Amino acid sequence: DTEVTQTPKHLVMGMTNKKSLKCEQHMGHRAMYWYKQKAKKPPELMFVYSYEKLSINESVPSRFSPECPNSSLLNLHLHALQPEDSALYLCASSSRAFTDTQYFGPGTRLTVL
Amino acid sequence: DAKTTQPPSMDCAEGRAANLPCNHSTISGNEYVYWYRQIHSQGPQYIIHGLKNNETNEMASLIITEDRKSSTLILPHATLRDTAVYYCIVRSQGAQKLVFGQGTRLTINP
Repeated sequence: DTEVTQTPKHLVMGMTNKKSLKCEQHMGHRAMYWYKQKAKKPPELMFVYSYEKLSINESVPSRFSPECPNSSLLNLHLHALQPEDSALYLCASSSRAFTDTQYFGPGTRLTVL
Repeated sequence: DAKTTQPPSMDCAEGRAANLPCNHSTISGNEYVYWYRQIHSQGPQYIIHGLKNNETNEMASLIITEDRKSSTLILPHATLRDTAVYYCIVRSQGAQKLVFGQGTRLTINP
């Protein structure tokens, strides 16, 4: 089973709202990732967590705040977003951060008004 | 990681083999070739990967040239559900991230 789940599927928020995206996997993977995908563009890495510690931040603005409360769960807290942050947010996981195949969730479609 | 070049789009008839090419002429010895696909508005789906040898699984076959400068993903009997964007990614051992290129939009026609 290579399932990564993400909630919610869709999210609409205003620029002053605070919301969170959730990602979960029960494959025992120890690396988890957030990617952002704008319309008609390929996915781009935002963050990598390895063994629940942040190991890569691709210079993402602080209005995006990742959190990894345990090895199965990854959150992305959103605050004061801009309309240009509207995108598909993808979570992925892999056994370890190095060399291993990444498996993606279905994504959360975010619209910022 | 080495850069990849893929045709922006391809068409294939249903039931025929779909052959998707990828050039990675600057690939180095410890870099793997990965293939993912993304069906419209879904998350990318892992298909297959390889280092030097050809690989086959239940979804596809991966043919890597002897000099490793190019590869071909083969979907042996394409169906309408194989319509997607296919990404060829070169990833070095130890690299934590996947760097996606623009991919090939494959359309399977009835």
